[in-house]
Amino acid sequence: AQKVTQAQTEISVVEKEDVTLDCVYETRDTTYYLFWYKQPPSGELVFLIRRNSFDEQNEISGRYSWNFQKSTSSFNFTITASQVVDSAVYFCALSGPSYQLTFGKGTKLSVIP
Amino acid sequence: DTGVSQDPRHKITKRGQNVTFRCDPISEHNRLYWYRQTLGQGPEFLTYFQNEAQLEKSRLLSDRFSAERPKGSFSTLEIQHTEQGDSAMYLCASSLAGLAAYNEQFFGPGTRLTVL
Repeated sequence: AQKVTQAQTEISVVEKEDVTLDCVYETRDTTYYLFWYKQPPSGELVFLIRRNSFDEQNEISGRYSWNFQKSTSSFNFTITASQVVDSAVYFCALSGPSYQLTFGKGTKLSVIP
Repeated sequence: DTGVSQDPRHKITKRGQNVTFRCDPISEHNRLYWYRQTLGQGPEFLTYFQNEAQLEKSRLLSDRFSAERPKGSFSTLEIQHTEQGDSAMYLCASSLAGLAAYNEQFFGPGTRLTVL
């Protein structure tokens, strides 16, 4: 069985602060993919990143960065210099051979101006 | 707009009625997925199609639920004899099957169902 845990239910930061969203996963599959999605107040899930289980290289995209550590089964997401537009619910998700995504419960991020 | 579209966006119905939702995936995507999301939770997988074949169904998909993708393009999700517990956001996603087995899924705006 697959499981994704996002222990932080809600986080509030002041604009321009850095924030890290935690994600811990469980799977018995040797090949799997990890994802992050953003769900703004409008409701539509927006794809942010995909990472496969064989690639532990960290990735940076603008203000976003991701830290994948297989040894601790974690795939954390950091937003640098947060902005009000970053306010949303962020979901970490896991996919195995069956293609279905298993999502965590999400972390609601509020960026206060 | 070339994204995933869903219709209707909102549906209010009375308990016991049947409802049908439609999803139009991104045109070149051959995989289509349905998820359900309740308040404060992440989306939960319901079923998925590759072309017109329904390849997997979750245990969440009771006998009252049926999904089709008759020509491998759009899909419909029908709920018969709706119950209040069916109230949720129903999300559709699509992806492209290719050499990368787990391509990212792109989601539609969802259909919010309220059962009174």
